[in-house]
Amino acid sequence: SQTIHQWPATLVQPVGSPLSLECTVEGTSNPNLYWYRQAAGRGLQLLFYSVGIGQISSEVPQNLSASRPQDRQFILSSKKLLLSDSGFYLCAWSEQANQPQHFGDGTRLSIL
Amino acid sequence: DAKTTQPPSMDCAEGRAANLPCNHSTISGNEYVYWYRQIHSQGPQYIIHGLKNNETNEMASLIITEDRKSSTLILPHATLRDTAVYYCIVRVHNNAGNMLTFGGGTRLMVKP
Repeated sequence: SQTIHQWPATLVQPVGSPLSLECTVEGTSNPNLYWYRQAAGRGLQLLFYSVGIGQISSEVPQNLSASRPQDRQFILSSKKLLLSDSGFYLCAWSEQANQPQHFGDGTRLSIL
Repeated sequence: DAKTTQPPSMDCAEGRAANLPCNHSTISGNEYVYWYRQIHSQGPQYIIHGLKNNETNEMASLIITEDRKSSTLILPHATLRDTAVYYCIVRVHNNAGNMLTFGGGTRLMVKP
């Protein structure tokens, strides 16, 4: 069966520091991959999605970037974190665009 | 994607059926109804989805009205572990980002 892993589960970073969050999927090939952010008490915001290796689409302008160096690996990065980057970051995958998305357990990021 | 309206909170007795309503009066013909839930501090969990016909799986049943303007998620025998925020979403199955847009959801509290 398919599984999705995100790490770390929690992260505390100072303002201006870099960021790298990793997500991997097992048990499937060429999945669609997604990064979402969920601010406290609010719904999900799609940040990036990818339909294949090296293919990244951004939904909102920000100081974050994403990369897909391997088929089942999706990385969320930042060169300099802002206070507003705090939140709950979720990675998700789907077999195809018309299939349900399945989420990891998320990374809770706090910026100090 | 069409907007959905859900009650902010509901209570249900353990062992009884939980019926969670969702209004999506502006749904278009090619939009599916999806349900997810999110238990505190975890990623959203896919429950079920449908287009026109009622659907049932091991987790829940989805009842969609004939005019498709509303739907009900039914948890037949709610347990304490079903306490979560339940999100109703309508979305098109396409290849353009295929994002999930979560609103406020319904906070279901299952009580002993």
